[in-house]
Amino acid sequence: DAGITQSPRYKITETGRQVTLMCHQTWSHSYMFWYRQDLGHGLRLIYYSAAADITDKGEVPDGYVVSRSKTENFPLTLESATRSQTSVYFCASSVFGRSSGTGELFFGEGSRLTVL
Amino acid sequence: DAKTTQPNSMESNEEEPVHLPCNHSTISGTDYIHWYRQLPSQGPEYVIHGLTSNVNNRMASLAIAEDRKSSTLILHRATLRDAAVYYCILRVTNNAGNMLTFGGGTRLMVKP
Repeated sequence: DAGITQSPRYKITETGRQVTLMCHQTWSHSYMFWYRQDLGHGLRLIYYSAAADITDKGEVPDGYVVSRSKTENFPLTLESATRSQTSVYFCASSVFGRSSGTGELFFGEGSRLTVL
Repeated sequence: DAKTTQPNSMESNEEEPVHLPCNHSTISGTDYIHWYRQLPSQGPEYVIHGLTSNVNNRMASLAIAEDRKSSTLILHRATLRDAAVYYCILRVTNNAGNMLTFGGGTRLMVKP
């Protein structure tokens, strides 16, 4: 029962480098999300995806790129990392229906990224 | 965008009920109200959700105001393990699909 896994769990990089955070889920959930959480603050939505090849911006998408070529994977790329992108990144997945009452989000354990 | 407003922090005594309030005055008719909590150094976990009627599950109860502009998460008997940040969020359905936007949350402290 793997669920939703993120990698790497910890990453240190330098300003200007490209970084990719991976997210993989085994439930075939249609929806996937990326959030960032800065120290002492709540979660902010970066990008989300309703299905393979369908992605949309959240609250804070600038500086990030996502793709969803397969249902189970939703990588997040920082094309040129900046110090302000130092944060904990959480991936989540869910099954949503427009008219259904379900929609529990399942979160990964987080990826802690430090940009020097 | 639909937003929620919660108190920054609350305190409770162990084994007493806790009522965590949330205001969402701009909620639309199709927005579901979700509650999540985040324990220290962990990802958020689902607690409960509802649309119009009050809801109960093994973790908590959700009381939704008749006009849906506010809701209250009720923990019937707080334990030390319930100390966490509780987030009230709205599931917004738009043309792009479903989006859940977290606010600042309420930090619940439970005293023994």
